[in-house]
Amino acid sequence: GENVEQHPSTLSVQEGDSAVIKCTYSDSASNYFPWYKQELGKRPQLIIDIRSNVGEKKDQRIAVTLNKTAKHFSLHITETQPEDSAVYFCAAPHNQAGTALIFGKGTTLSVSS
Amino acid sequence: DGGITQSPKYLFRKEGQNVTLSCEQNLNHDAMYWYRQDPGQGLRLIYYSQIVNDFQKGDIAEGYSVSREKKESFPLTVTSAQKNPTAFYLCASSMAGWGGNSNQPQHFGDGTRLSIL
Repeated sequence: GENVEQHPSTLSVQEGDSAVIKCTYSDSASNYFPWYKQELGKRPQLIIDIRSNVGEKKDQRIAVTLNKTAKHFSLHITETQPEDSAVYFCAAPHNQAGTALIFGKGTTLSVSS
Repeated sequence: DGGITQSPKYLFRKEGQNVTLSCEQNLNHDAMYWYRQDPGQGLRLIYYSQIVNDFQKGDIAEGYSVSREKKESFPLTVTSAQKNPTAFYLCASSMAGWGGNSNQPQHFGDGTRLSIL
């Protein structure tokens, strides 16, 4: 089955800096990679996703890149703001459980002003 | 995502007691899921249901049970066999995909925090 590794587990940046979080996956058949943001005590919210037929997708200050050969995908946040502080999870298709996802263990991003 | 409602927000379980967590969605989604979240563990799949009247075990199903009698509802029961039930439980749903796009964005409820008394 699929396995997702996420790094780093914690990331501290200054306001205005960029932040990058990387995930690797094991199943070359995986074709959908979402990123979720979870604020303390709240629900995970989808912030961006990418399918395997494209290499990059952008939405304002957020971008995701996908390298199918190396089996990794990354979240890029530019011009970070204090409200970007949260836990970020990457995910990939579980592949052994219908359309369920398998998640990375999360990255706690802290943006200080 | 106001389309998925989980209740209660907080729940306490006594020794030997079964408790049921509610999950209702009005998004007309076919697929529904239960995940368990522990600190530093990410989200782990408990059960999933691709369509009404059908459900399957996920990675950590022991000590849990579900039903899917209505499209809108996917309740989770934490039984007394689950010896470490303290966690944050998240319900999610998604549209049914097709062909190479079988995976569709998942929408989450606000979660239920379960603790042992």
